[in-house]
This record gives sequence, structure tokens and C-alpha cells, in this order.
Amino acid sequence: GEDVEQSLFLSVREGDSSVINCTYTDSSSTYLYWYKQEPGAGLQLLTYIFSNMDMKQDQRLTVLLNKKDKHLSLRIADTQTGDSAIYFCAERPGILTGGGNKLTFGTGTQLKVEL
Amino acid sequence: GAVVSQHPSWVICKSGTSVKIECRSLDFQATTMFWYRQFPKQSLMLMATSNEGSKATYEQGVEKDKFLINHASLTLSTLTVTSAHPEDSSFYICSARDLSGSYEQYFGPGTRLTVT
Repeated sequence: GEDVEQSLFLSVREGDSSVINCTYTDSSSTYLYWYKQEPGAGLQLLTYIFSNMDMKQDQRLTVLLNKKDKHLSLRIADTQTGDSAIYFCAERPGILTGGGNKLTFGTGTQLKVEL
Repeated sequence: GAVVSQHPSWVICKSGTSVKIECRSLDFQATTMFWYRQFPKQSLMLMATSNEGSKATYEQGVEKDKFLINHASLTLSTLTVTSAHPEDSSFYICSARDLSGSYEQYFGPGTRLTVT
């Protein structure tokens, strides 16, 4: 089945940029997503990128997609303490690998922002 | 827009009892809702896909008789954990897909279940 991997932990200083990485295995993925989860809360959709795009920027967030290497990254510029959370990447498989409804989530990256 | 609520937000129950969790799409209609389970410091595990007016589709390894799902309307799906045991303690999160066909899933805030 599909597999989505992330590094478990990232620590940055306030004001620096954060880069969270994600690798996936399903080459037919259509959309790739980044979600944020704060303690004890549900998931908040941050941004997403369609598989035929290389980059998407949304205010402080930049998503880069290397489809050849099946690598996705989320860059947060000017990271703030309020950005401390767990970040999940997720991919929506293509029709050939299970259908367009399901999301497969990565393992999550805990981002800690230090003063 | 696209708000999904869950009720209750947390619940404590005794072993052997059943617990019902509601998932509602507040400002849109959802033909499909998803139920996830999340253990501490772990990712979300899809349990089942709930389609309005039909039986839910369960993922491999998820007991359908233990986790009863009902999707009676376009805005409500319920998950009932029957005969709960301590190992069922977890964070349960639902999501709903907008009927407009955008395929985007909107997540609820989650329900923390603790079985004593």
C-alpha cells in the first residue's frame, strides 16, 4: 500500500525558517496536503498542491513538490511560537491505487519553536 | 465555511459500556464522512469510510461489529464504540467531504475517549 514518511521532530528558533519534509511512494498521487494539529485538537488544512505543480506559495508557507523523487516539503518563513504543532503531510491516491476519496497520512513532524 | 463538529469533545466511560460519537457538517452537505483513530504521538489511521444511506466501508483490521457507523443524513455520521475496553481509549477524528465534489476533507476537532 501507500507509504508516507516524515521526520519525527524539528526544532527551530523564532524568526528562522522551518522546512518540514515528506516522502511518499504512490506515483499516481493527485493532491498532496499539509495539515497542522495543535495539542488535543483536530487537523487544520494549511495548504495543498496538485501533483502537476512544482511549487505553491501562500503567505508564509511555501510547498515544493519533486514528483520524480516523490518528495514534498513545507517551508514556513519567519517561524513563530504559534507555529509549534505537529505537521502532517497527506496524499490522495490516484484512482488506480485505491480511489480518490482516501487520504494517506504521514507519520507527523513535531515542530518546536524556541525563543 | 466548511465547519465540522464532533460531540462529545471528550468522554470517559467504564469497560463494557457503549459510547456514541457524533460528527456533523455544519454548513455543507457531506455524502462521505471518514472516521480516523489517532494514538498518542502517532499518525491518523483511517478506520472506515461512511457513505450517506449505505453501509460503511471498513479498513482491514477494523471490527465493524465493534465500531458501528451510521450515516443517516447528509450532515450527520455517528460512530458507536460497543462494549468498550481500555485498549479502545484513543482520539477519534472524523472528516467530511463536501458534496460539491471538491474532494477536500474537512476535519472535526476530535473526541478523546478514555475507557476505565
